[in-house]
Amino acid sequence: GAGVSQSPSNKVTEKGKDVELRCDPISGHTALYWYRQSLGQGLEFLIYFQGNSAPDKSGLPSDRFSAERTGGSVSTLTIQRTQQEDSAVYLCASSLRPSGIEYEQYFGPGTRLTVT
Amino acid sequence: AQTVTQSQPEMSVQEAETVTLSCTYDTSESDYYLFWYKQPPSRQMILVIRQEAYKQQNATENRFSVNFQKAAKSFSLKISDSQLGDAAMYFCAYRSAFEQETSGSRLTFGEGTQLTVNP
Repeated sequence: GAGVSQSPSNKVTEKGKDVELRCDPISGHTALYWYRQSLGQGLEFLIYFQGNSAPDKSGLPSDRFSAERTGGSVSTLTIQRTQQEDSAVYLCASSLRPSGIEYEQYFGPGTRLTVT
Repeated sequence: AQTVTQSQPEMSVQEAETVTLSCTYDTSESDYYLFWYKQPPSRQMILVIRQEAYKQQNATENRFSVNFQKAAKSFSLKISDSQLGDAAMYFCAYRSAFEQETSGSRLTFGEGTQLTVNP
């Protein structure tokens, strides 16, 4: 079946503009994660959705970041008034269930965001 | 909070040789999972191997094996008979065995090791 997809693949935007990043998880996967990968660094956890609910938004870097998930499927990460430090690869992952070793997280190919 | 450390930013190996990538972690939990992911230039994260902390036997997947030392909190990856296709960034990752209400089963990653395979 289809894997996790993300769009756009690459996004170049001017400082101060808003951007919207989209994640389409594997059908039926209830858990969805957003991570950020800055240049030369590991992945940083941003937010987790169980169904449409995100219990804790404190992992988001600033109040310019917001995320939502609708219909238990597609998720959107929005960055308002982008700054140069927002430049990174944003990765989305989904799993059938949140817990259990057998419930592997499957990653999308990411969106590379460049803020000029 | 858990932390994962990869002390080798870059490694290189000759084709057909063996290489070991290091990873250490810190946690106060007794039950958890450890993973190695491969990220080629395509950015697609690929699960290479996983280890359950309560299992003493080291995991093996074809040419990939781990050396899991729970007391030392060490989790190294050995790649045998290295191939050109193994060239990638490798990330070590930790996951609690207990689902957290606010973060599910989030992964905590190390900084990564860039592996080069020389022909």
